[in-house]
Amino acid sequence: ILNVEQSPQSLHVQEGDSTNFTCGFPSSNFYALHWYRWETAKSPEALFVMTLNGDEKKKGRISATLNTKEGYSYLYIKGSQPEDSATYLCAHPTDSWGKLQFGAGTQVVVTP
Amino acid sequence: ETGVTQSPTHLIKTRGQQVTLRCSSQSGHNTVSWYQQALGQGPQFIFQYYREEENGRGNFPPRFSGLQFPNYSSELNVNALELDDSALYLCASSLKTSGPPGELFFGEGSRLTVL
Repeated sequence: ILNVEQSPQSLHVQEGDSTNFTCGFPSSNFYALHWYRWETAKSPEALFVMTLNGDEKKKGRISATLNTKEGYSYLYIKGSQPEDSATYLCAHPTDSWGKLQFGAGTQVVVTP
Repeated sequence: ETGVTQSPTHLIKTRGQQVTLRCSSQSGHNTVSWYQQALGQGPQFIFQYYREEENGRGNFPPRFSGLQFPNYSSELNVNALELDDSALYLCASSLKTSGPPGELFFGEGSRLTVL
C-alpha cells in the first residue's frame, strides 16, 4: 500500500449495534498511526495515536488495534450511539515531524 | 475547545484573485501545518512551519505560500486562485518533541469557494 486506504466509505448503524472499520497504511518507515473523529461543523479531534505493533487503545466504547507489520488498523465502536455519528479519519505521519497522510475517512451514521 | 482558531470561516473569491487565511495555534505549540480538504477526499498536506521556517511541503504549487509568526500564528496565502482551489482549509498545531509524532490539534477550517 502506498496510500492510506479506509473502508468502508460509509456505514449506517442501528443504535446499540457494534461496528468496526479498517485503515490500511504503508508498513515501511512507520512512525505512528493516528485516528481522528470529525463531527460535522466541528474540528477533527484525535482519538488515538498508536505507535507499537499489537497496540490496543480504548476510549470509552471506542477502541483500536494496530498491526504495523501488515499495515492495518481497526477501529471498533461498541454499542453505537447517535453521538458517535461522525467521519473517522486515519492518518500516518510520513516523517518524524508528523506530516500526516490521511485516508478519505469512514462516515458513520447511527440511527435511533 | 482545541484552542486553534481560524479565520475567516467562509469566503468567496473569483478566479485569479488572491486569498489569505489565518490561524492562531494552540498555546505552547511550535509547529503549524496546513491541509486542504476537497470534497470527498481526506485532508491533503500543504506545508508545515516550525519556528517561522517552512519545514516541508506537499504536492502544491508555489502559488500556495505561508508564514508563521513569532507568536506561532500562521497565514496561508493562495495567489491566482483557480476553481479547483475551492476546498476546506484546515490549520493544525502541534508540539514537536523528541518522541513519535504526536496528535495534531485542528481548527474548524476556512471554507473557500472560488467562482
